[in-house]
Amino acid sequence: QVQLQESGPGLVKPSQTLSLTCTVSGGSITSGDYYWSWIRQPPGKGLEWIGYIYHSGRIYYNPSLKSRVTISSDTSKNQFSLKVNSVTAADTAVYFCARGRSSNGWTPWFDPWGQGTLVTVSS
Amino acid sequence: QSVLTQPPSASGAPGQRVTISCSGSGSNIGRESVNWYQHLPGTAPRLLIYGDNKRPSGVPDRFSGSKSGTSASLAISGLQSEDEADYYCAAWDDSLNGPVFGGGTKLTVL
Repeated sequence: QVQLQESGPGLVKPSQTLSLTCTVSGGSITSGDYYWSWIRQPPGKGLEWIGYIYHSGRIYYNPSLKSRVTISSDTSKNQFSLKVNSVTAADTAVYFCARGRSSNGWTPWFDPWGQGTLVTVSS
Repeated sequence: QSVLTQPPSASGAPGQRVTISCSGSGSNIGRESVNWYQHLPGTAPRLLIYGDNKRPSGVPDRFSGSKSGTSASLAISGLQSEDEADYYCAAWDDSLNGPVFGGGTKLTVL
């Protein structure tokens, strides 16, 4: 059974870089037809897709965040990571990692998810 | 503002049937399939429905999804106290070229 766990600092100063890692257990991030994904939820708001790295290594980003976001993977550690540059208070959110997949041309669905980690941007 | 529109709240008594709506446009729900998630704050969101109306293994058949035009619905029958949670719809958006979510609906079991 695949499980995902986010880790990283809970507090980041404005203008600095937010860095999070998702550790995957119970399965390899290089096997299967999966999109290893980052999604966030600002306090009191809905979910926002940040981007994902495909099992082949190809990366897709939300256009609204693309200029500040980098997603990468470390296959030796079975992890994938998120960096958000030049953060502001608007980047305060619970950040989730999740495994996405699709078939038949359907909207990719995310399953399972990590529990999420709250990152607060504040001086 | 979320791309997909959901009512902020819904409620029902135990045993009743509740539906949660999700409204989109021709660039998302009108062309692409819809997924639904259940989320209890502080826990990992759970996939309930994918491909408009398909349930992953382990999801009770009390949960069902449907779609018509640019709107989708999640129905929960035989409401139970454990169903009290936030529910989110999601669909691919051809303009964004990525998935978009609704703002979420908080379900209260009376």
